[in-house]
Amino acid sequence: KNEVEQSPQNLTAQEGEFITINCSYSVGISALHWLQQHPGGGIVSLFMLSSGKKKHGRLIATINIQEKHSSLHITASHPRDSAVYICAVHGNQFYFGTGTSLTVIP
Amino acid sequence: NAGVTQTPKFQVLKTGQSMTLQCAQDMNHEYMSWYRQDPGMGLRLIHYSVGAGITDQGEVPNGYNVSRSTTEDFPLRLLSAAPSQTSVYFCASSYRLAGTYNEQFFGPGTRLTVL
Repeated sequence: KNEVEQSPQNLTAQEGEFITINCSYSVGISALHWLQQHPGGGIVSLFMLSSGKKKHGRLIATINIQEKHSSLHITASHPRDSAVYICAVHGNQFYFGTGTSLTVIP
Repeated sequence: NAGVTQTPKFQVLKTGQSMTLQCAQDMNHEYMSWYRQDPGMGLRLIHYSVGAGITDQGEVPNGYNVSRSTTEDFPLRLLSAAPSQTSVYFCASSYRLAGTYNEQFFGPGTRLTVL
């Protein structure tokens, strides 16, 4: 059973490209989170969403509650964006997607 | 603030040994949780706590015990280590605002190998 599905699993982009990572979930949620895990292993929270859209610098996250879907966009991608991006949802507990591994080539 | 700290960073155990992974946070967060991360499977919840004295099981609790005697500390005990418990373990904490848990703060992780 996968409460959270992400696509694609792997993504390679040229520097400067616009990137989209998708997340679909099957449980009722109070919030959705996007996390970033760098090659060193540390995990940081990028966004928490319960509706609409949020923007931090070149990162944009959107959520459609009715369709149970969220997207993470990276504009003007840079090699330092290379990381694993993880979607997580919180209903009665946290559920995580398996992550999208992004590599941005200079 | 130190945030969420975990010790040790690396550990090698023999099958059958027991040990405790330590987790502490200094942000006065009521919610704390333990996850394991295995290749291709994402993070899976082991146990969580919504406050001192309150713990509950997550998705994969077998072989692990927790306790929460203070707000700051949430240790994870492996009772009798097995090779299937070889994994990277993350501790995280969060806080409630307007009835919803907010962003989680993760510790640096503990890489455990059971031989």
